[in-house]
Amino acid sequence: SQTIHQWPATLVQPVGSPLSLECTVEGTSNPNLYWYRQAAGRGLQLLFYSIGIGQISSEVPQNLSASRPQDRQFILSSKKLLLSDSGFYLCAWRRTGTGGDQYFGPGTRLLVL
Amino acid sequence: GNSVTQMEGPVTLSEEAFLTINCTYTATGYPSLFWYVQYPGEGLQLLLKATKADDKGSNKGFEATYRKETTSFHLEKGSVQVSDSAVYFCALSPYSSASKIIFGSGTRLSIRP
Repeated sequence: SQTIHQWPATLVQPVGSPLSLECTVEGTSNPNLYWYRQAAGRGLQLLFYSIGIGQISSEVPQNLSASRPQDRQFILSSKKLLLSDSGFYLCAWRRTGTGGDQYFGPGTRLLVL
Repeated sequence: GNSVTQMEGPVTLSEEAFLTINCTYTATGYPSLFWYVQYPGEGLQLLLKATKADDKGSNKGFEATYRKETTSFHLEKGSVQVSDSAVYFCALSPYSSASKIIFGSGTRLSIRP
């Protein structure tokens, strides 16, 4: 069976500090991978998605970036965090080539102070 | 373009009440439709789905029917429980292999004992 992991679960960072959130998927190969942000009490905002190693599509211009160094690893980064980067970050995966289900990780709660 | 519109929340009901959360969509072609649920502090879980017109998705007492003529996918449950308190997201997947899932803004449901 497939599982998706995210870490850390919770993070408190000062403004201007760097960020690295990691997501890994097990039990599948060549998945589509996604990063979402959910601000408090709000809906989901798609930040990035990837259909393969090194292939990243950005949905919203911002100070965040994403990388996919391995098939089942997806990393969300920032060089300098802003207060507005606070939120709940969700990683998700989906099988390539289908219009099927998307599976979400447990999320990382980020608070920028 | 593709979009999902769902009813504004929060929705507050008493236990054993009937639930309807409205969802309408705009899409080209024949998208797949989904309902996801997010319990407090967790990631999203797929609740049910339908992949073609007139299909009915069902799970845990929830149901939704894919209505192409009204472009709707309303979520219903005959008798809600306190444990159903969560945020519910309607979503669509355009008929494309590398596509994103388009999410609605979410509806917060609270059930009173």
